Parts: sequence; structure tokens; C-alpha cells
Amino acid sequence: DSGVTQTPKHLITATGQRVTLRCSPRSGDLSVYWYQQSLDQGLQFLIQYYNGEERAKGNILERFSAQQFPDLHSELNLSSLELGDSALYFCASSVVEYDEQFFGPGTRLTVL
Amino acid sequence: AQSVTQLDSHVSVSEGTPVLLRCNYSSSYSPSLFWYVQHPNKGLQLLLKYTSAATLVKGINGFEAEFKKSETSFHLTKPSAHMSDAAEYFCVVSLSGGYNKLIFGAGTRLAVHP
Repeated sequence: DSGVTQTPKHLITATGQRVTLRCSPRSGDLSVYWYQQSLDQGLQFLIQYYNGEERAKGNILERFSAQQFPDLHSELNLSSLELGDSALYFCASSVVEYDEQFFGPGTRLTVL
Repeated sequence: AQSVTQLDSHVSVSEGTPVLLRCNYSSSYSPSLFWYVQHPNKGLQLLLKYTSAATLVKGINGFEAEFKKSETSFHLTKPSAHMSDAAEYFCVVSLSGGYNKLIFGAGTRLAVHP
């Protein structure tokens, strides 16, 4: 158990809908990262936050957004969902920005 | 641009035999390299990391990897496979030279047979 928690574990929704994935980092970790794992794209970095501020962006679609709250938990919002958004979404956290990342168990999103 | 190529999508070994998972990297400067493992229905766990210190890196569960700059390789090895090693393994390079954005390889699925 890495200490990073993600909810929900599974999410099934329909195309066009909007969902929110939640991540609680390890106690004391200031940086949160989001990754997407899909069969065709593999594991891809989406976005990073550090102490509430966006620090780095990867291959994140405009339909996706994220934020990190004052209590350091983070939410990833996915809107206008498409079939291709079905994937496993991981959150990771680290103490500071340039530090080892610890991964949560992931949220499996299925878009029907 | 940094990238990693895992040369085998599947590797199958017998229990007690050596494991070799191959990874080549591309980086415009001295990279930070990692191996992560993902067991079925689980998150990713860091096995080991190279950050320009010793070229032979020892990780958890008996795994080790050697950074070879001349060959741009970072292969993962273990002398004797255990059934519990069956999982997917990812070679990873850090985009910024530290631990920031991680670029993952496509993964190698390791099967261990009795």
C-alpha cells in the first residue's frame, strides 16, 4: 500500500457525460501527478500540481481539467466523455517536485 | 526528446531461471531512469532508480539494472525468477532529468512458469 488513495475504484458512464476522479496523496506529499493508462496509448503523463499550483502538463485533452485543493487532495475532471477515454487513471504523489513518485491503485473508467 | 523502448512485449521464464527485461532509452542529456512494476489490478511500484550515481543499481525483490551510456541501455535483471515476479514491468525516463514528468515504455509482461 503506497499511501495514495483514489476514489472511486471503478466508474461506468455514458458518452457525453462528465465525471470527477479524486486522489488523496500520501501524508506530507505536496506534489500530485495524474496519468492515463490505455491499451492503445500505454501510460501517459497528464498533469502535475505542486502545493496547489499547476507545474507541468503532458498529453492532457482540453476536455480534461484538474486542480489541487488547499488540503492537497486533487481532482481530475473529465467532460464530454468519449469511448476512447475509457482507461485506468492513476494518481501519484511525491514529497516535493523532484522526488520519487508513489502511485495509487487507480480508477478504472469505462465509457459506454 | 526523451523516450524509452522496451524491446520485448512478453517474456516467459521458468521459476528459478534468470530474468532479463531489455530497455533502451533516448535522451538529449543525462537521464534519470526507473523501473516500475505493476501487478494485476494493482498500482505501480518503484523497483529501482538510476540518477547518475552508481551505474549498477540494486532494487527491491532482488532486481537490479545496469546503466550503459555507450549502449543507451538500462536492462533489468534478476538471477532467479519467482512465481510472484509475474507482472508487467515498465522502463521509465524522467522528462526533466529529475523525478518530474515520467515517460513510460510500452511495458513488458513477464510470465513465470513452474
